[in-house]
Amino acid sequence: AQTVTQSQPEMSVQEAETVTLSCTYDTSESDYYLFWYKQPPSRQMILVIRQEAYKQQNATENRFSVNFQKAAKSFSLKISDSQLGDAAMYFCAYRSVDSNYQLIWGAGTKLIIKP
Amino acid sequence: DGGITQSPKYLFRKEGQNVTLSCEQNLNHDAMYWYRQDPGQGLRLIYYSQIVNDFQKGDIAEGYSVSREKKESFPLTVTSAQKNPTAFYLCASSRASGSIDTQYFGPGTRLTVL
Repeated sequence: AQTVTQSQPEMSVQEAETVTLSCTYDTSESDYYLFWYKQPPSRQMILVIRQEAYKQQNATENRFSVNFQKAAKSFSLKISDSQLGDAAMYFCAYRSVDSNYQLIWGAGTKLIIKP
Repeated sequence: DGGITQSPKYLFRKEGQNVTLSCEQNLNHDAMYWYRQDPGQGLRLIYYSQIVNDFQKGDIAEGYSVSREKKESFPLTVTSAQKNPTAFYLCASSRASGSIDTQYFGPGTRLTVL
């Protein structure tokens, strides 16, 4: 069975600095999808970025980018120019191509932005 | 505006009572999901439905029931058989076809058992 691990329960960064959140996963599959979701204090889950495993190019969405290392089964999220609005819980999630659309979730990392 | 709505935002239940959480979407998505979130944990899948009148159990279905009579609606009933129902419940939906079916979430319902 696949598992997702986020080893950092909490991270803090100074406003305008860059921070990287870690995510590792375990799978025997060769094709799958990976996601980063953000959950602000409002608790609504918001998609940040997604990556298809067959794509070698790392996904980027404005200030958010990923470092996808397929061989190492690592999927870290880099947030550049951190803003106060980035403060949230960040969850990494995995989905198999062949699954019944089920997502497997990490436990989350709480990101604190220091003004 | 397209999106997912959940109601109520807060729900209080006495022990022994069944309660139903509402989830509605107007995204024309085929698939819908219910997750439970406990403090310090990731989301856990309760039930999911890929099509009307069909649904499957997720990892923690015991003590819960669902129905999918309409494409846009997927209510979750928390029964008295659920031993520890106090939690935050999130509903999501996605397209059932296509390659990377991103799940979009509603704002959630906080259930507290008194």
